[in-house]
Order: sequence, then structure tokens, then C-alpha cells
Amino acid sequence: NAGVTQTPKFRILKIGQSMTLQCAQDMNHNYMYWYRQDPGMGLKLIYYSVGAGITDKGEVPNGYNVSRSTTEDFPLRLELAAPSQTSVYFCASSQTLAGAKNIQYFGAGTRLSVL
Amino acid sequence: DAKTTQPPSMDCAEGRAANLPCNHSTISGNEYVYWYRQIHSQGPQYIIHGLKNNETNEMASLIITEDRKSSTLILPHATLRDTAVYYCIVTYAGNNRKLIWGLGTSLAVNP
Repeated sequence: NAGVTQTPKFRILKIGQSMTLQCAQDMNHNYMYWYRQDPGMGLKLIYYSVGAGITDKGEVPNGYNVSRSTTEDFPLRLELAAPSQTSVYFCASSQTLAGAKNIQYFGAGTRLSVL
Repeated sequence: DAKTTQPPSMDCAEGRAANLPCNHSTISGNEYVYWYRQIHSQGPQYIIHGLKNNETNEMASLIITEDRKSSTLILPHATLRDTAVYYCIVTYAGNNRKLIWGLGTSLAVNP
């Protein structure tokens, strides 16, 4: 009954370093999403995927990359970390994109600080 | 996608009903209203959604006005664990990957 699992929970990076945020879901959902949430703000979509091998940009994709080699996993890559990427990152999945049933299930988040 | 407007904060006494309003005056006929909540910076949690009829589940009730320009989320007997930020989101009925998240309403349930 894990749902959406994100690792790590916390990370501190130095400017220019790179890292991968991991996301895995065990609900066999085709659709997966990465969001970022800055303090006191709502969520903003970074990238999403409609299935293995298919990804697309969201509202704020600059500075990030994604891949989707399996249904279960959707890692988010930061290549050259910048202070502006300090945020909380949430991964989510849903069974469908259709508005009537686009219920998204979220992970617990990764809190990232870039110093 | 239609935009939503919510009050930034509300208070409610424990055990009483919490009524959270949302204005979505530009909603179109094929857009759904979704409600999520976020407890203390955890991942958001789905609550309920609807198109035009009122909806009820084990967590809450959703009342949508007849003209669909506003809605109210009702937590019938609020508990301290309902203290959270509540987001009202309008999303297209077709295949749409985006949920446009506003700032939500910070609900404080007081003992």
C-alpha cells in the first residue's frame, strides 16, 4: 500500500552540483507528474509523462530533465543546481488525464536547498 | 483553464462544520471542480470533485451553484486534523495534464 514514494526526503546541494530525485509508484498508473512548490505558493508543473518513453514539459521545465523507462519510475534530474531551484518537489501519479477522473496521488515530497 | 479565487484563511471551531468557498466565475461547461488539501507541507491529498451536481463522499460534501460560478466545500464535523491548506482547482473535462494550483485557503480548526 505504498502509493507514490519519493527519495530522498531532504537534500542540500551546492551551486552547480547535479542530482536525481527519485519517484516510484506501485498503482500501475500511466500518468506521472513532477511539481515544485515554493514557500507559501501553489504547485507548479515541471514535467509530466503519459506512459513509458513519453514525457512533455509543464509550466516551469527549465533547468530540469526527466525520463520514463518504466511505468513505475519517473526520475527528475537537476543538472546544474541553482539557488532558484530551492523548493519542495512533489511527484504525483494518476490513472487518467480525463477531467472526470484525473485524481492525482502525491508523494511526501523532497525538500531541496541549493546553497 | 478557468481561474479560482479563495479566501486566504479561515477559522473553524472543532466539531462544527467548515464551509470553504471558491469562486470560479469563468468556468466553462466542460470543466470540473476539484478540491485537494495539503496538511503541513505534506503531499496534497484529493478530497472530492464535481461537474454540476452536488457530491458527497466520506471526507466532505461539494456544493456547486446552479450557474456553476462558485462552489463550497463542506467538512461536516471539523477536527484538529483537518487543519490544512485547501485548494480549489478547475480542470478541463478532456485530456488535460494540467491542474492550475492557486494559493488556497488556510483552514485553522481550533479546539
